[in-house]
Amino acid sequence: ELKVEQNPLFLSMQEGKNYTIYCNYSTTSDRLYWYRQDPGKSLESLFVLLSNGAVKQEGRLMASLDTKARLSTLHITAAVHDLSATYFCAVDITNFGNEKLTFGTGTRLTIIP
Amino acid sequence: DTAVSQTPKYLVTQMGNDKSIKCEQNLGHDTMYWYKQDSKKFLKIMFSYNNKELIINETVPNRFSPKSPDKAHLNLHINSLELGDSAVYFCASSQVIGAEGTDTQYFGPGTRLTVL
Repeated sequence: ELKVEQNPLFLSMQEGKNYTIYCNYSTTSDRLYWYRQDPGKSLESLFVLLSNGAVKQEGRLMASLDTKARLSTLHITAAVHDLSATYFCAVDITNFGNEKLTFGTGTRLTIIP
Repeated sequence: DTAVSQTPKYLVTQMGNDKSIKCEQNLGHDTMYWYKQDSKKFLKIMFSYNNKELIINETVPNRFSPKSPDKAHLNLHINSLELGDSAVYFCASSQVIGAEGTDTQYFGPGTRLTVL
């Protein structure tokens, strides 16, 4: 059974600092997603990583995928308060176009002014 | 203009009751999903449908029965509600893009179910 682990589970950091969230998974997959969830809200897609070595950046967030190490990272640069949210990675195992996402445990990020 | 919508947003009910949650997507996607998010924020897939056909059923109790009248709608009916069913239920949809897989999933706003 696929296991997807994120760490840390909780992260409190000061504005202006850099940090990385890690997502490890146990089964071969070359498709990984990052989502953001604000308290009481839905999930918002941030990044789709489709191949080994894929790197995507949007504002202060950058995501990367290493399929050989079964590891994805979400790097936060010069954090601002607006980035406070819970971040989920999700690994895709697709059979004949039928997608099944297995989500990580989530990382609750709090940015302190 | 909402891409994936769910009703109701909140549902409070007694143990033993039967309730339904509705989901609609206007994105023209082929595949729809139901997820359950528990109190610890853990998200787990329950069902997926592709063009009205059940594809994934993740060992969910028989009390949960999804129904897809057309590819834009996926409803979830729950019989004999139990305390452990309290959670947030999210509907999602995505588009199949060939043998390589599907596009990203778009999530609805969620339905917070509280069973008393």
